[in-house]
Amino acid sequence: AQKVTQAQTEISVVEKEDVTLDCVYETRDTTYYLFWYKQPPSGELVFLIRRNSFDEQNEISGRYSWNFQKSTSSFNFTITASQVVDSAVYFCAGGSQGNLIFGKGTKLSVKP
Amino acid sequence: DTGVSQDPRHKITKRGQNVTFRCDPISEHNRLYWYRQTLGQGPEFLTYFQNEAQLEKSRLLSDRFSAERPKGSFSTLEIQRTEQGDSAMYLCASSSPVGETIQYFGAGTRLSVL
Repeated sequence: AQKVTQAQTEISVVEKEDVTLDCVYETRDTTYYLFWYKQPPSGELVFLIRRNSFDEQNEISGRYSWNFQKSTSSFNFTITASQVVDSAVYFCAGGSQGNLIFGKGTKLSVKP
Repeated sequence: DTGVSQDPRHKITKRGQNVTFRCDPISEHNRLYWYRQTLGQGPEFLTYFQNEAQLEKSRLLSDRFSAERPKGSFSTLEIQRTEQGDSAMYLCASSSPVGETIQYFGAGTRLSVL
């Protein structure tokens, strides 16, 4: 069975601080995809990044960066110099075929 | 290109009534997914279609739930004899064919069963 664990339920930071959101994906599949989605207060899930299980290269996109380590099943997400607009619930998800398994989410609050 | 569209955005119904939700995927996306999200939880997979074929159904999808995608375009999710436990956000997502696994989500339909 697949399992996504986001151990941090809520994180609160002050604007311009860096913040890392943790995710652990457990599966017996050798080929799978991992995702991060953002859900702002408006409610719509917004796709941020996809990573496949063969690619352990770190990725940076603007203020966002992702670190995937297959050996520890971790796929962590870092926001550099956080902004108030980053306040949202962030979901990590994984899957190998049609359906995605989501974690319970981490609520990030960025205060001015 | 418009995103995934869901209708209605909100539905309030009385216990025991039937409800139907509609999802219009991004055009040319052949895969369509339904998820359910309750307060404080991540989305939970319900079912998905490739074109008009329903390929997978979760055990969460009791016999009161049925989903269709008759022409491989829009999809409907019907809940019969609603129960208070069905109150949730119902999310639809779509993805394009051939190696593209990114699911793009709609804004959801929030169901409240009184």
